[in-house]
Amino acid sequence: NAGVTQTPKFQVLKTGQSMTLQCAQDMNHEYMSWYRQDPGMGLRLIHYSVGAGITDQGEVPNGYNVSRSTTEDFPLRLLSAAPSQTSVYFCASSQGGSSGNTIYFGEGSWLTVV
Amino acid sequence: LAKTTQPISMDSYEGQEVNITCSHNNIATNDYITWYQQFPSQGPRFIIQGYKTKVTNEVASLFIPADRKSSTLSLPRVSLSDTAVYYCLVDYSSASKIIFGSGTRLSIRP
Repeated sequence: NAGVTQTPKFQVLKTGQSMTLQCAQDMNHEYMSWYRQDPGMGLRLIHYSVGAGITDQGEVPNGYNVSRSTTEDFPLRLLSAAPSQTSVYFCASSQGGSSGNTIYFGEGSWLTVV
Repeated sequence: LAKTTQPISMDSYEGQEVNITCSHNNIATNDYITWYQQFPSQGPRFIIQGYKTKVTNEVASLFIPADRKSSTLSLPRVSLSDTAVYYCLVDYSSASKIIFGSGTRLSIRP
């Protein structure tokens, strides 16, 4: 019963490097999203997808790219890492984007940019 | 999108009942009210959801007045393990953008 799986759990990057955070869900959910959470702060939506081939921007999309080639996977790419992107990243999924659907979160990916 | 307003932080003691209120003046007819709980270093998890009146489960109760412009999450007899951030979510049916906001940071003391 995997749910939402994120990898890696911890990563240290140098400024300017690029990397991809992986997210996979095994619940056949249409809706997937990425959030970042800075220390002591709430969750901020980066990008989301309502289905394979469809993505859209959230509150803080700059510096990040996403794609959704399959229902199961929703990777988040950091194009050129900056110290301001040091944060915890959470991937989430739900059956749909309507308010009656429960959202399931991954365990988080801790990213440090030096 | 409806904007939700909830207290930034609350403190209480073990064994007390804690009530966290969320205001959502622009809630739409089809929207549910859902609360999530987030422990440190973990992703949020669903705790309760309601549409109107009162909902109760093994973890909490959710009270929703007739006008649905606010809701109150009630945690009975809290313990230290209830220390967490609690998020109130409403109105993400229209644009599929699920915005969490800052939540309420609840601290329970012995």
